[in-house]
Amino acid sequence: DVKVTQSSRYLVKRTGEKVFLECVQDMDHENMFWYRQDPGLGLRLIYFSYDVKMKEKGDIPEGYSVSREKKERFSLILESASTNQTSMYLCASDSQGREGGYTFGSGTRLTVV
Amino acid sequence: GQQVMQIPQYQHVQEGEDFTTYCNSSTTLSNIQWYKQRPGGHPVFLIQLVKSGEVKKQKRLTFQFGEAKKNSSLHITATQTTDVGTYFCAGQFSNTGKLIFGQGTTLQVKP
Repeated sequence: DVKVTQSSRYLVKRTGEKVFLECVQDMDHENMFWYRQDPGLGLRLIYFSYDVKMKEKGDIPEGYSVSREKKERFSLILESASTNQTSMYLCASDSQGREGGYTFGSGTRLTVV
Repeated sequence: GQQVMQIPQYQHVQEGEDFTTYCNSSTTLSNIQWYKQRPGGHPVFLIQLVKSGEVKKQKRLTFQFGEAKKNSSLHITATQTTDVGTYFCAGQFSNTGKLIFGQGTTLQVKP
């Protein structure tokens, strides 16, 4: 089974801190995604990547950046955390042309105080 | 922008009753996917529909994709307490390839 691992289940950070959320997948998937999930808003795409060193903005990229130096790892960076970035962050991966949907990690619940 | 609207946001049913959630897009989708998220869990892929008018079944779950490939539904027959969770549709748009999620429908089942 594909496994997508997010490094932290819960995080508490202070306003203004630089925050790194890490995601690793073990099935050689080309595509990786970062979503945030908020009640009533569903899952909103922050950034995605179709290949190493490649990144594309999603629907809500402001305040975030990403890094994909290796195929298996996709990092989400909050340059200067703010309270409105308190949310559940979900990483997902997928393989081009493969039917089977996205595989999600367990999520990181980030609280910015 | 590209949006996928999903209704209702919440549904409370008595165990044994049926349940349906609906998804709509203003533009044609290349495919639609459905996910289930249990309380405290993460979304898990259920199924993908690709063809116009497609109907797929998984036990008590029936998934439909509209003829115009702009809407979809998930119907659960005779709900059980194990069906509790949030069901998301996610539409893929052929021009961008992005998967856009609906807001989700949270199902509560009273035993």
